Amino acid sequence: DAMVIQNPRYQVTQFGKPVTLSCSQTLNHNVMYWYQQKSSQAPKLLFHYYDKDFNNEADTPDNFQSRRPNTSFCFLDIRSPGLGDAAMYLCATSRDRRVGEQFFGPGTRLTVL
Amino acid sequence: AQSVTQPDIHITVSEGASLELRCNYSYGATPYLFWYVQSPGQGLQLLLKYFSGDTLVQGIKGFEAEFKRSQSSFNLRKPSVHWSDAAEYFCAVGAQEYGNKLVFGAGTILRVKS
Repeated sequence: DAMVIQNPRYQVTQFGKPVTLSCSQTLNHNVMYWYQQKSSQAPKLLFHYYDKDFNNEADTPDNFQSRRPNTSFCFLDIRSPGLGDAAMYLCATSRDRRVGEQFFGPGTRLTVL
Repeated sequence: AQSVTQPDIHITVSEGASLELRCNYSYGATPYLFWYVQSPGQGLQLLLKYFSGDTLVQGIKGFEAEFKRSQSSFNLRKPSVHWSDAAEYFCAVGAQEYGNKLVFGAGTILRVKS
């Protein structure tokens, strides 16, 4: 089945230690998104890639970076995680930029010690 | 900019009872509306969506939603709730002028009592 895969499902890191979260998709979608979801809150869009075109949200901290080396993979890098960055990170894809369904992965739960 | 309000943070219903989750949106033109469900520790799954046409849309798992332009609402309904429906439900709005960026409501946690 075509799907969105996130690894790892659970990640523990130390305060200030860089961490990378991974997302892959077999849907061959052009757009990939990264959301941050804190406990009992709505998902908040951090940035998205349309093909190789990177689009950052205005309020996304510089501490968060992303890479998309090819259509299938997208990475979220947190350069110096703080306690406030502990959250669920959701990857999603959509076929193109027109409004339509976004397909979500299961998420990575990040804990910062 | 578009926005979404889900007025109920928590709702508890008995198994077999009917369910209605409320969603109000703010957007000047015709929005694109979605309902997603999230089980604990999982990603979001699309239940249904409204783009145009018939204002009553059917989704998966027996859910339906009705778009009411006059009330700026897109409420989710299910005639008979099952214990497996316990989850968090998110309403989201999209608009073509913003590409495919969705704005989510804060979510409603559904508890089902037996």
